[in-house]
Formats: sequence, C-alpha cells, structure tokens
Amino acid sequence: SNVLTQAPPVSVAPGQTARITCEGDHLGYTNVHWYQQRPGQAPVVVIYDTTGRPSGVPERFSGSYSPDTATLTISRVEAGDEADYYCQVWDSDNNRVLFGGGTRLTVL
Amino acid sequence: QPQLQESGPGLVKASETLSLTCTVSGGSITRTSYYWGWIRQPPGKGLEWIGAIYYSGSSYSNPSLKSRLTLSIDTSKNQFSLTLRSVTAADTAVYYCARRETTRASHYDPWGQGILVRVSS
Repeated sequence: SNVLTQAPPVSVAPGQTARITCEGDHLGYTNVHWYQQRPGQAPVVVIYDTTGRPSGVPERFSGSYSPDTATLTISRVEAGDEADYYCQVWDSDNNRVLFGGGTRLTVL
Repeated sequence: QPQLQESGPGLVKASETLSLTCTVSGGSITRTSYYWGWIRQPPGKGLEWIGAIYYSGSSYSNPSLKSRLTLSIDTSKNQFSLTLRSVTAADTAVYYCARRETTRASHYDPWGQGILVRVSS
C-alpha cells in the first residue's frame, strides 16, 4: 500500500533555511498539505494544495514539489517554528487520507 | 472559522466501546461545503486518519478501522460522533475532530484541541 516517507529530524540555526521533505508515489499528481504541530497542541495547516499558504501563515513558509517528493521550506527560521511537521495526501488507490510519519524541526 | 471541541470519557476498558462527540460552534454543521472528520495520534507517534462524515450522513473511513467504526451526525445539536468497538491498548491516542472541504483531497482546518483516550486492560 502507499506510504509517505518523511525526512529524519532537522536542526537549523535561527535565520537559516529548513527544508522538510515528503516522499511518495505520484506526489506530483495530487495535492499535498503540510501541518505544524507544536508540543501539546493540535496540528495547524501551514501549506495546502502543495503550494497554497493560509492567511496568517508567514510568507517564510512555502511548498514545492518534484516527481514523488514534496518539500516544505521555512526561510529565516525562528524559535517559534520548532515543531513536528506532517505531510498529508489523499490516497485514491486505497480510498483513505494518508499522513507522513512527521519530521521534528529543532531550532538550535 | 468555527470552533470544534471533542468530548467523551478519557478512560475506556479493553474490549469495550469508545464513544466521542465533536461539538461545532460558530458555524453550521449543515453547510454543504464541508465534511467533518476524525484523526488520532497515539502518544509520541504520528497522525492517523479515522474517517469523515457529511451532514447528510454519508461517511467513509480508514479501511483498517472500518469494521469497528461507526460515524454519525446530529445536525440538530451541531455535533458529530465516533464510535469504536472492541478497543485495545493500540487505540490509546489523542483523538482530534476537524473540518475538511468536500473534495477528498482537501486539507483539514480547523482542528479541535484533542482529547486523550486511554484504554485500560
């Protein structure tokens, strides 16, 4: 069955750029969404439909994709960006919503 | 944005039934543009989609849970519910309710704060 594979933990210094990847078959042909989950809180969408940014989410957050890989890029990382990040797609082969395993971003 | 709030028991005995309700405030659950869903997260682990329901009662769910799961909706109370039968320790998780647009490929937003449900042996 389809699986979304997310990168190992990412650590960056404040002001640097963090890139978090999500790999899976056919990612270039479906919408990918990204959620930020701070400790003890519910997930919040930061990128929807692969590249869309909800109102209120800083422009520092952006999404992109290439065949089979979606990427969440966080520019000028701040301490408040420290969180777990999850990608999500609709798995039409198995008629279910699929989440990646999550990537922890640590701000040094 | 509406607000969503989960409610239900925080402790369920193994082999029994887990029942949770999500109350929606600040918006009608009968809006035709949205589905209402459930997602769970075992302690220290990732997110798992449970299922979603439309105001009409039409629903679909994770094939891995389908045999034990019932989703329902009460438009008069602006609530939707989850019932999971024959629970085991593997069902211990924070359960979230969330809203999604009608397109199945859409994202979930907003989410409730979540409710921790522990299954005891």
